[in-house]
Amino acid sequence: SQTIHQWPATLVQPVGSPLSLECTVEGTSNPNLYWYRQAAGRGLQLLFYSVGIGQISSEVPQNLSASRPQDRQFILSSKKLLLSDSGFYLCAWSVSKNIQYFGAGTRLSVL
Amino acid sequence: DQQVKQNSPSLSVQEGRISILNCDYTNSMFDYFLWYKKYPAEGPTFLISISSIKDKNEDGRFTVFLNKSAKHLSLHIVPSQPGDSAVYFCAASANYGGSQGNLIFGKGTKLSVKP
Repeated sequence: SQTIHQWPATLVQPVGSPLSLECTVEGTSNPNLYWYRQAAGRGLQLLFYSVGIGQISSEVPQNLSASRPQDRQFILSSKKLLLSDSGFYLCAWSVSKNIQYFGAGTRLSVL
Repeated sequence: DQQVKQNSPSLSVQEGRISILNCDYTNSMFDYFLWYKKYPAEGPTFLISISSIKDKNEDGRFTVFLNKSAKHLSLHIVPSQPGDSAVYFCAASANYGGSQGNLIFGKGTKLSVKP
């Protein structure tokens, strides 16, 4: 069966520090991969998606970047965090255009 | 411009009664709709979905109804249980042509089921 791993679960970082969140999927090949952010009191905002290795599409301009170095690995990064980057970050995968399956999420607090 | 709207931020229901969560959308190209359930500090869990060629899909206690003319869908939970207390997200996708078919989410409705 397919599983998705996302870490760390929580992270507290100072403003201006770098960020690296990792997501890996097991049990499937060539999945579509997604990064979402849920800010307090808001819905799920799609940040990036990837249909293959090295293929990244950005949905919103921001301080973050994404990379897909391997088929089942998706990384969310920032060189310098801003206060506004705080939120709940979710990785998801799908093998069709419709149903997406989510990881447990990372709570990022930028102080 | 919100394409998927959940106008009720919260809903409180008595255990055993029906919970009805509503969702409206504006994009007539949406052809697939989903409901997700989310507990605090966890990722959303897929619940149930419906294609635009149907008007109803049922899975156990959960039923989703789609009214395309009104651009409205609803999730019915019968009977409601305390464990159903969570935030419910409505999502929609458009799968026409070269569209990526990414999901567009509503802001969620927090359901509280009281014993």
